[in-house]
Amino acid sequence: AQSVTQLDSHVSVSEGTPVLLRCNYSSSYSPSLFWYVQHPNKGLQLLLKYTSAATLVKGINGFEAEFKKSETSFHLTKPSAHMSDAAEYFCVVSLPNQAGTALIFGKGTTLSVSS
Amino acid sequence: GAVVSQHPSRVICKSGTSVKIECRSLDFQATTMFWYRQFPKQSLMLMATSNEGSKATYEQGVEKDKFLINHASLTLSTLTVTSAHPEDSSFYICSARADYGYTFGSGTRLTVV
Repeated sequence: AQSVTQLDSHVSVSEGTPVLLRCNYSSSYSPSLFWYVQHPNKGLQLLLKYTSAATLVKGINGFEAEFKKSETSFHLTKPSAHMSDAAEYFCVVSLPNQAGTALIFGKGTTLSVSS
Repeated sequence: GAVVSQHPSRVICKSGTSVKIECRSLDFQATTMFWYRQFPKQSLMLMATSNEGSKATYEQGVEKDKFLINHASLTLSTLTVTSAHPEDSSFYICSARADYGYTFGSGTRLTVV
């Protein structure tokens, strides 16, 4: 079975400092992995996705993630946090089932950014 | 890009009534639509996968008679919460797979009073 584990439920950083949101996955084969962001009372926005091409994936708003097969990790990073980055972040894996290939969400990490 | 339009965005209903949520793919054909539920401060949980013209596949623990899903066309899927109760209050989001990837509706916040 495929799943993702977000290692931190809450991360707090200061504006201008680096961001690291950790995610580990379990999969019996090479998965497709995604990071989504959800701002309060808003829908979901795709930050980036990995689909077996380059292991270092660059996304929007300065975020990037590196797929490390040896560590089964797909951590999300950003060099310098902005106040507007405060939101809920989900690490997501695609899971084929008999009906289709659904996205399975991790439990989420709340990112707080202080001035 | 591919857009999924979800309506209503917010609905309040009385206990025992039914509520229908619609998701339309505006510029592509959505053969498969996914329905998720998100409780406050929790993650999105996959409820069911619907394929156009066939019965939906429900995840374990999701009552198919309570959450009726219809996917009668390539551009419309509906989720009906039947005989709603306060514990059904949640944020419901649909998703479809387009050529470039997955796209999500903006969500429906259901409050059952």
